[in-house]
Amino acid sequence: AQTVTQSQPEMSVQEAETVTLSCTYDTSESNYYLFWYKQPPSRQMILVIRQEAYKQQNATENRFSVNFQKAAKSFSLKISDSQLGDTAMYFCAFRMDSNYQLIWGAGTKLIIKP
Amino acid sequence: GAVVSQHPSWVICKSGTSVKIECRSLDFQATTMFWYRQFPKQSLMLMATSNEGSKATYEQGVEKDKFLINHASLTLSTLTVTSAHPEDSSFYICSARDLDRYNEQFFGPGTRLTVL
Repeated sequence: AQTVTQSQPEMSVQEAETVTLSCTYDTSESNYYLFWYKQPPSRQMILVIRQEAYKQQNATENRFSVNFQKAAKSFSLKISDSQLGDTAMYFCAFRMDSNYQLIWGAGTKLIIKP
Repeated sequence: GAVVSQHPSWVICKSGTSVKIECRSLDFQATTMFWYRQFPKQSLMLMATSNEGSKATYEQGVEKDKFLINHASLTLSTLTVTSAHPEDSSFYICSARDLDRYNEQFFGPGTRLTVL
């Protein structure tokens, strides 16, 4: 069975700093997708970034980038130049290529301080 | 991007009554929708997978007679909480799979259910 682990329940950084959120996963599949979702206080789930396992290049979306280490089954999210609006719960999620269900991590609460 | 709406955004009901929550994909057709439950400060818990025109697939431990799911069209799925009790109070979120966008799930804004 697939599992996703986020070992940081809460993190706090100053505005404009860089922060890295950790995520590890376990699977025997070779084709899969990894995601980072953001859930702000409004509770609307927003896709931050997506990574296909077959792609070696790390995905980036503006200030957000990932460090995907397939052999280590690690998928961390780096937020550069953090902003107050980045304050949210961040969830790491996994999906197999053959199944559309998402497997979720427990989440990391990120607080950006002014 | 793809937009998913949920209605109502919040509802308060008396114990023993039934409540229906609607999930709509506004600008795409969704053959598959998912229903989640989220407890405070916790992750999403998948309740069921809803496929258009067929019966929903429920996760282990989810009572199908209590949480009725209907996916009658490619843009609408409904979750009905029957004979609601205070322990059913929670935040319910739906998502819809978009075939044209890499099969990504797009999420509704959620429904806060409070059962008195």
